[in-house]
Amino acid sequence: AQSVAQPEDQVNVAEGNPLTVKCTYSVSGNPYLFWYVQYPNRGLQFLLKYITGDNLVKGSYGFEAEFNKSQTSFHLKKPSALVSDSALYFCAVRSVGDTGRRALTFGSGTRLQVQP
Amino acid sequence: DGGITQSPKYLFRKEGQNVTLSCEQNLNHDAMYWYRQDPGQGLRLIYYSQIVNDFQKGDIAEGYSVSREKKESFPLTVTSAQKNPTAFYLCASNDYSNTGELFFGEGSRLTVL
Repeated sequence: AQSVAQPEDQVNVAEGNPLTVKCTYSVSGNPYLFWYVQYPNRGLQFLLKYITGDNLVKGSYGFEAEFNKSQTSFHLKKPSALVSDSALYFCAVRSVGDTGRRALTFGSGTRLQVQP
Repeated sequence: DGGITQSPKYLFRKEGQNVTLSCEQNLNHDAMYWYRQDPGQGLRLIYYSQIVNDFQKGDIAEGYSVSREKKESFPLTVTSAQKNPTAFYLCASNDYSNTGELFFGEGSRLTVL
């Protein structure tokens, strides 16, 4: 079975400061890892994904994430937060070996609040 | 514009009634999925379909049913057997590449009165 843990229900950061949203995962074999963002009463928007190769992945809106295999982590980062980044963020995982279901397993979400 | 359309956006239902949520995609994706979102629980997989006329139960399929008669369409029926149906329902799709991310619709919020 695969699982994702997002240990923080909420992260608060001041505008202009760097932000980090944490994610750890458990999966059989190698992972495909994803970050999504959700605004109130909307669907999820894709931010970035790790498939293979460089451990630092760059995505939309200035976000990036660092894959760390030894710590089974995939933390989301941004050098300078904007008020408009305030939203709910989800980390998701799928096993590379899963050629059947191919559905993503999601974490419980982290609410990011950026103060002006 | 390519995308996934879910309807209705908001739906109210009385206890004991079945309701059907629509999901249509024009992305030419093979696979489609239904997730349920509850506060603090993330997204949980209800059903998925990788090909027309075939679908599989996800992790919380009890009280739900689906059909996949067309590639573009994957409707979800919430039956009266679902004990706690009030939730936000999200439909998603992806292509057949093994690394494909999911594309999501805007969701349907079901409230049982």
